[in-house]
Amino acid sequence: GNSVTQMEGPVTLSEEAFLTINCTYTATGYPSLFWYVQYPGEGLQLLLKATKADDKGSNKGFEATYRKETTSFHLEKGSVQVSDSAVYFCALSVKAQKLVFGQGTRLTINP
Amino acid sequence: NAGVTQTPKFQVLKTGQSMTLQCAQDMNHNSMYWYRQDPGMGLRLIYYSASEGTTDKGEVPNGYNVSRLNKREFSLRLESAAPSQTSVYFCASSYTSNEQYFGPGTRLTVT
Repeated sequence: GNSVTQMEGPVTLSEEAFLTINCTYTATGYPSLFWYVQYPGEGLQLLLKATKADDKGSNKGFEATYRKETTSFHLEKGSVQVSDSAVYFCALSVKAQKLVFGQGTRLTINP
Repeated sequence: NAGVTQTPKFQVLKTGQSMTLQCAQDMNHNSMYWYRQDPGMGLRLIYYSASEGTTDKGEVPNGYNVSRLNKREFSLRLESAAPSQTSVYFCASSYTSNEQYFGPGTRLTVT
């Protein structure tokens, strides 16, 4: 079946630190990969996506590269801000079918 | 453009009571989804509707029913609420499942 495994949280960093949140996947077929973000008290929002191997998705300073050889889609940001504090979800879909989410990683950035 | 709206925002039920969660979208999307979010478990799909007039079970459908009233509206009904259904419920819509737009959520407590 299809599944997503994310780095265990919570993650706490200081402002301007480098961020990596690991995500690996298992899929039958060729998936599209996504990162969604959930700010406190809100629904999920699409942060970035990649639809084929070696594609890099990017948005708001965040990046993730689709690595087929390692079945990974790690989220990175060079310098985090307090406003990046949120829960981050990695997800996949195969052949435009339903999204499968990881369990989420809570990120807290301290000033 | 309101996007995806959900009502109510909060609800407290006693065991055995029934209620319907409402969801509407104004983006002319074909597909709509209901998820529940529980701590440490990410989002789990309850039911989805790929198009008006069709509904299908997701990962955790037991204890729920849905109605795709028209293209805009997709409701979730709990016929006899149980404490295990205490959760945050999110509705989402999409043109394809690749990019889903989420509502703000309904926080439900069953005592």
